[in-house]
Order: sequence, then structure tokens, then C-alpha cells
Amino acid sequence: AQSVTQLDSQVPVFEEAPVELRCNYSSSVSVYLFWYVQYPNQGLQLLLKYLSGSTLVKGINGFEAEFNKSQTSFHLRKPSVHISDTAEYFCAVSGVDSSYKLIFGSGTRLLVRP
Amino acid sequence: DTGVSQNPRHKITKRGQNVTFRCDPISEHNRLYWYRQTLGQGPEFLTYFQNEAQLEKSRLLSDRFSAERPKGSFSTLEIQRTEQGDSAMYLCASSPPQIGGPYNSPLHFGNGTRLTVT
Repeated sequence: AQSVTQLDSQVPVFEEAPVELRCNYSSSVSVYLFWYVQYPNQGLQLLLKYLSGSTLVKGINGFEAEFNKSQTSFHLRKPSVHISDTAEYFCAVSGVDSSYKLIFGSGTRLLVRP
Repeated sequence: DTGVSQNPRHKITKRGQNVTFRCDPISEHNRLYWYRQTLGQGPEFLTYFQNEAQLEKSRLLSDRFSAERPKGSFSTLEIQRTEQGDSAMYLCASSPPQIGGPYNSPLHFGNGTRLTVT
């Protein structure tokens, strides 16, 4: 069965500093990988996705993520964060093991301080 | 594209009462999903529809839960005899049809219905 692990429940960072949010997945077959962002009292918004091809994918709001098959990771990065990036970030996996449903990690709260 | 709409945004009910939530997906999206999210956790899959057919239900979905999608448009999620453990955010998502190849379209989420059972 597919699963997603986000080891960091909260990541505090100062404004304009770089950030990396970690995501590891487990699956026996090819997967599709996604990062979603959730602002307070709102639904989830897609940041970026990896389906195939280039392992470095760029998303909205200056975020990017790199798919690493050997390490089964899909870490999210941003070179310089803003206060407005404060939110909950969810990594998700999809594939034949999950009948192409999205399986989410437990989330990482990014807290950007001035 | 008006987005996925969910009503109500908040629902407070007493234990033992029945509640019903509604989801209006993006038009022309044939897939519709229900997820449940508890505090500090990621969304957990409950069920999904392709058009009007309910294709999969999670083991999380007890007999007290029922979902429908008549005519393949809006969907309702009903919880009978609510329990305090049902308190959560219920999220609806939809995705468009995909022709050929394995399914990989991202989901578009609504803002959710927050249920509080007292």
C-alpha cells in the first residue's frame, strides 16, 4: 500500500530565509506526487505535481520540488519565504496501489516569522 | 470556473442527530471525492464517484455514513446518529475526465464543512 511521511510537523523560519519541507513516500510501483497548501479555514490548493519527465518541478508562489526515486523523496523548497507563506503543507501520492486516489501525509505547518 | 462549493461551512449538532452536507463540483468534472480531515492530520479518503456511480468506499465510512451523487452532478454526504468522534472537516474535491493512460489529474478542493458534534 502507498503511504506518505512528513516527518516535520512544524517548521519555523524567518522571512526571506530558504526553506525545505520534507516528504518521503512508500510504493512498490510508479507514483504521481503532489504538494498542496492549506490556509486557515480553507480547502487545499495545488502547489505543484510530478507526473513524469523532469525530476525538478516548479509550482506556484515560487515553490519547487525534486523527485528522487532512489530516496523515495519529494521535498518541497523555496529559496526565500514570505510571511504570506505561513500555512499547512501536505504532500500526497497517487498511483495504481491506491487506485489513483490521493493519499496524504499528516502535513507540515510552515511558520514564517518577521 | 467557480470552484468546488460546499455547504454549510460550519455545522454544530448534538450527538445522535443526523446531518447532511452538500458539495457542488466544478462543472464538467466527472469525478467527485469526499475526504475527512481531523485536527493536525492530513485528509483521509472516504469515498469517490465517477459520474453517478460510487466506485469506492473507505473502511472509515461506517454504516452511519452514506453518500449520493444523483445525476452525476452535486453530491450529498449524510451522517446518521452522529458521534463526537465524527467532529472533523469534511472536504469535497472534484477532477476532470481523463482520456487514455493512468489517471493523474489533480483534485480541486472546496473549502470544506466543519462539523462539531457536542
